[in-house]
Amino acid sequence: AQKITQTQPGMFVQEKEAVTLDCTYDTSDQSYGLFWYKQPSSGEMIFLIYQGSYDEQNATEGRYSLNFQKARKSANLVISASQLGDSAMYFCAMREGMGGGADGLTFGKGTHLIIQP
Amino acid sequence: DAGVTQSPTHLIKTRGQQVTLRCSPKSGHDTVSWYQQALGQGPQFIFQYYEEEERQRGNFPDRFSGHQFPNYSSELNVNALLLGDSALYLCASSSLAARLYFGPGTRLTVL
Repeated sequence: AQKITQTQPGMFVQEKEAVTLDCTYDTSDQSYGLFWYKQPSSGEMIFLIYQGSYDEQNATEGRYSLNFQKARKSANLVISASQLGDSAMYFCAMREGMGGGADGLTFGKGTHLIIQP
Repeated sequence: DAGVTQSPTHLIKTRGQQVTLRCSPKSGHDTVSWYQQALGQGPQFIFQYYEEEERQRGNFPDRFSGHQFPNYSSELNVNALLLGDSALYLCASSSLAARLYFGPGTRLTVL
């Protein structure tokens, strides 16, 4: 079974609209971390946001927020007021166990987001 | 403050050859991880180095090996290259923090 599932291969969104990118995960660990990364065409993975499994509040970083629904094993990324520069691939990833951030991440297949003017 | 750097940027090899990719971690980071990203896929974890030892390994054959130096920089070696090894190879560094910092990657093409 896939550990990280991103069901939207591609999305087109109008500039200034809010965007929700879906991510569901599968783990039997009680302690885990969830990440979202942005990958522009240049290839570099850019960290966006992190949510720990024990964090009670949803993570927020500027225009990015993570809608964490633990019981549903869902960790959707919400981008408010989208901009043309948000066009990129977006990857959801998970780190299982109690590794101090230095353990291997499992990535989903990504969502290609295109922001239209 | 320099981020994670990788060299070379691009590389073309033929089947059966060997390749070495290099990574310098972000300043203050002591752990280096390598990922392989095939076209249209998410990155896959190859292995991680800490204190010059391989600490964790993903589902990759022994043809993939690595090394970490005392200055925390790292190399990824791939022997007996296959066409399927063509991919973007990403290096990421970290310390005890949760966040991984990725480099720009090395794009390897195997002909």
